[in-house]
Amino acid sequence: QKEVEQNSGPLSVPEGAIASLNCTYSDRGSQSFFWYRQYSGKSPELIMSIYSNGDKEDGRFTAQLNKASQYVSLLIRDSQPSDSATYLCAVKGNNAGNMLTFGGGTRLMVKP
Amino acid sequence: EAGVTQSPTHLIKTRGQQATLRCSPISGHTSVYWYQQALGLGLQFLLWYDEGEERNRGNFPPRFSGRQFPNYSSELNVNALELEDSALYLCASSRGLGDQETQYFGPGTRLLVL
Repeated sequence: QKEVEQNSGPLSVPEGAIASLNCTYSDRGSQSFFWYRQYSGKSPELIMSIYSNGDKEDGRFTAQLNKASQYVSLLIRDSQPSDSATYLCAVKGNNAGNMLTFGGGTRLMVKP
Repeated sequence: EAGVTQSPTHLIKTRGQQATLRCSPISGHTSVYWYQQALGLGLQFLLWYDEGEERNRGNFPPRFSGRQFPNYSSELNVNALELEDSALYLCASSRGLGDQETQYFGPGTRLLVL
C-alpha cells in the first residue's frame, strides 16, 4: 500500500468550474500536509499547507483536512487554463525526520 | 528574496561516471533536502542535511551521497552512475526542524545517463 495516494487523472474540468483534488495517507500520526503544483518540466511550487482539521482558504484555493479519515483535498474555484498542471500532495509523517512523502500526483486539465 | 538555486540545469554522463549536483538554499534556511523524480516513479526522498549534518536518508544505495557546507549550500554526489539514475534531481530548503516548516524547491538538475 502506498503511503500517500492520489488519483493520477487526468481530471478534466471546464474553465470556471471547481476542480476537486483528493489525497489519502496511511500514517495516522502525520501532522503536516502540503499541496504543490508542478508544471510539465518544472519544479514543484507550494500552493498551500494545512495542519489542522477543517478548511483553509487562500484566494481561489481551499485545502481541506480530515485526520480521522486520513484525507486531504484541494479545491480550485473558478479554474483557469493556467491551472492545468500536476498537483502533488505531500505529507510529513510522524517520526519522518522532516522528509516529505509525495503522492504520485493528479494531472489537472482545464479546458477553455 | 532569491529562491533555491541549483546547478547545473542539465548534466549528461555515461554509465559508471560520477555526477556532482549543487544547491544553494534560500537565505536563512538551514535545512537542505534532495529528492529524485524519475519518470513514472514520482518524487522520492534522497537525503536531508541540517546544520552541516546528514539527518536522514531515503531508500537509496550508498553511491548516493552528499554534504552540506558551512554556508548551508549542499552537494549531491552520485557515483558509479547507472542508466536508471536518469531523473530530475530536486533540491529543497526550509528554515529548520519544525513540523510546520515548509520546503521550497529549486528548479532542479536534469541528469541523463547514457
